[in-house]
Amino acid sequence: AQKITQTQPGMFVQEKEAVTLDCTYDTSDPSYGLFWYKQPSSGEMIFLIYQGSYDQQNATEGRYSLNFQKARKSANLVISASQLGDSAMYFCAMRERGTGNQFYFGTGTSLTVIP
Amino acid sequence: GAVVSQHPSRVICKSGTSVKIECRSLDFQATTMFWYRQFPKKSLMLMATSNEGSKATYEQGVEKDKFLINHASLTLSTLTVTSAHPEDSSFYICSAKQGGDEQYFGPGTRLTVT
Repeated sequence: AQKITQTQPGMFVQEKEAVTLDCTYDTSDPSYGLFWYKQPSSGEMIFLIYQGSYDQQNATEGRYSLNFQKARKSANLVISASQLGDSAMYFCAMRERGTGNQFYFGTGTSLTVIP
Repeated sequence: GAVVSQHPSRVICKSGTSVKIECRSLDFQATTMFWYRQFPKKSLMLMATSNEGSKATYEQGVEKDKFLINHASLTLSTLTVTSAHPEDSSFYICSAKQGGDEQYFGPGTRLTVT
């Protein structure tokens, strides 16, 4: 079974609007971390936001927020006030305590911000 | 945030030759480093995990004799693609971990085998 599922291969959003990128995960480990990374065309992976499985509140980092629905096993990324520079691939990832250091990545969502 | 560098950023080599890619953590000591491979418009695939001073742990399906990983120090890990073939052409990304949850990624190396 897929550990991380991103069902939106491509998304478009108007500049200055908000957009939600979906991510669901599958784990039986009670302790895990969820991450979102941005990968522009240059290829580098840029860390955006982190949510721990025991965190009570949704993580926020500037214009990025993570909508953590633990019971539904979803960790959607919300980008507010989209900017042209937000156009990139976005990857959701998970790390389980039980499997040590391994990260599981989703297949990514390509976001295009339209002026 | 922490900085991880990779060298070279791009490399073109002839089929049958070997190429070495370096991954360095510039401002922290990385107890663990990871090597990923990414095909165009695809996700990252973990190839191997290396801990300083010990042998790398390879993921299923990854040939350890073809992809040699050395983690000689707490700031340097190398990936050597031996006897490269065109199908080895890919984007290789390393990441480094200090001790907490977060991995810091390098900028990647684009390998083209002709």
